[in-house]
Amino acid sequence: SQQGEEDPQALSIQEGENATMNCSYKTSINNLQWYRQNSGRGLVHLILIRSNEREKHSGRLRVTLDTSKKSSSLLITASRAADTASYFCATLGNTGGFKTIFGAGTRLFVKA
Amino acid sequence: DAGVTQSPTHLIKTRGQQVTLRCSPKSGHDTVSWYQQALGQGPQFIFQYYEEEERQRGNFPDRFSGHQFPNYSSELNVNALLLGDSALYLCASSPYSSGRNEQFFGPGTRLTVL
Repeated sequence: SQQGEEDPQALSIQEGENATMNCSYKTSINNLQWYRQNSGRGLVHLILIRSNEREKHSGRLRVTLDTSKKSSSLLITASRAADTASYFCATLGNTGGFKTIFGAGTRLFVKA
Repeated sequence: DAGVTQSPTHLIKTRGQQVTLRCSPKSGHDTVSWYQQALGQGPQFIFQYYEEEERQRGNFPDRFSGHQFPNYSSELNVNALLLGDSALYLCASSPYSSGRNEQFFGPGTRLTVL
């Protein structure tokens, strides 16, 4: 079973709008990562946030982490058509293992 | 600097057959993980290799096995293929020094089992 659950499953917005995706997980984590995947190809790492961090920024991306609620959000500001992709959150547990668990993803469609 | 490469790109097999998928990690990376991604789902962790040993395994049957070579490249073998093994198989590499952090993914091998 997958630990991360993204919400919404799909999102359609206009170019220039902001896109917010949420992720919930079940067990304690070492870190949480967000990845992007274009059309069933390989995943691209976007950003990593550690369990002792609350917010990180990278370009047009902003990620928040609330460990008390076991949730994270990814905000993409001023979206572009090229942002159209699937976005996955992935968690690494804090038990010393190496298994990264991915959610089912949010499909984002940005209309030009 | 080449990224993670995988071969073949696509593969069609029939039930009961065996398949071998190959992965070359990004230069400087010594850890390789394999994932299975069914259509419309997120990747599921199969196993991770480091120093030619399987370091951790996900919830996959013994039909799934792997190998890592001294040059850090890796193979994923699947025996007795089932229809449900049809998926995109992703290889990811990372440098051990980065701990358990970001991974660099290859483009994947799409396996179809008929």
